[in-house]
Amino acid sequence: SQKIEQNSEALNIQEGKTATLTCNYTNYSPAYLQWYRQDPGRGPVFLLLIRENEKEKRKERLKVTFDTTLKQSLFHITASQPADSATYLCALDISRSNYQLIWGAGTKLIIKP
Amino acid sequence: DVKVTQSSRYLVKRTGEKVFLECVQDMDHENMFWYRQDPGLGLRLIYFSYDVKMKEKGDIPEGYSVSREKKERFSLILESASTNQTSMYLCASSFEPPSSYNSPLHFGNGTRLTVT
Repeated sequence: SQKIEQNSEALNIQEGKTATLTCNYTNYSPAYLQWYRQDPGRGPVFLLLIRENEKEKRKERLKVTFDTTLKQSLFHITASQPADSATYLCALDISRSNYQLIWGAGTKLIIKP
Repeated sequence: DVKVTQSSRYLVKRTGEKVFLECVQDMDHENMFWYRQDPGLGLRLIYFSYDVKMKEKGDIPEGYSVSREKKERFSLILESASTNQTSMYLCASSFEPPSSYNSPLHFGNGTRLTVT
């Protein structure tokens, strides 16, 4: 069955450094992958989408890479700030169905001042 | 901005009760979704709807039903609540199916349901 894995342990990063989060998957070739941010007590908020034929996507301090050979996506936040502290979720398209995404459990990111 | 509103932030219900979770979106989106979120697990799709009165089962529909009588409103119903349905429930909407390039999901802030 399809499996998607994110680091279950919290990631602690010093303010100003680059935070890198990982999303690994198995048993499928997705058409695209999405990243969301979730704050405590809130619903996820969409950040970036990257297609299978795109190596890299950027938005301000955010960068996502997608390596379909390694079956991995990396999510980078440069010049990290305490306000970036949140849980980050990745979601994988199962392109046979237009409505199904498979979600990782998320990685909690803590940016220390 | 798209706004997805879930009627309750917290609910406490007893085993066997019928529970209604309501969700309203204000952007005329075609598609609406109900997910549950449990610690250590990714979001799991319960049901979705791509049009008024249309519904499709997701990954974990057992014990749930849904209703979509109006485009902006999607209700999740627990016919007879059980303790294993204690969870965070998230409603989402999108203009196009999630497989479309420019149609991310817009989520509400969730309803935390406790069944005792």
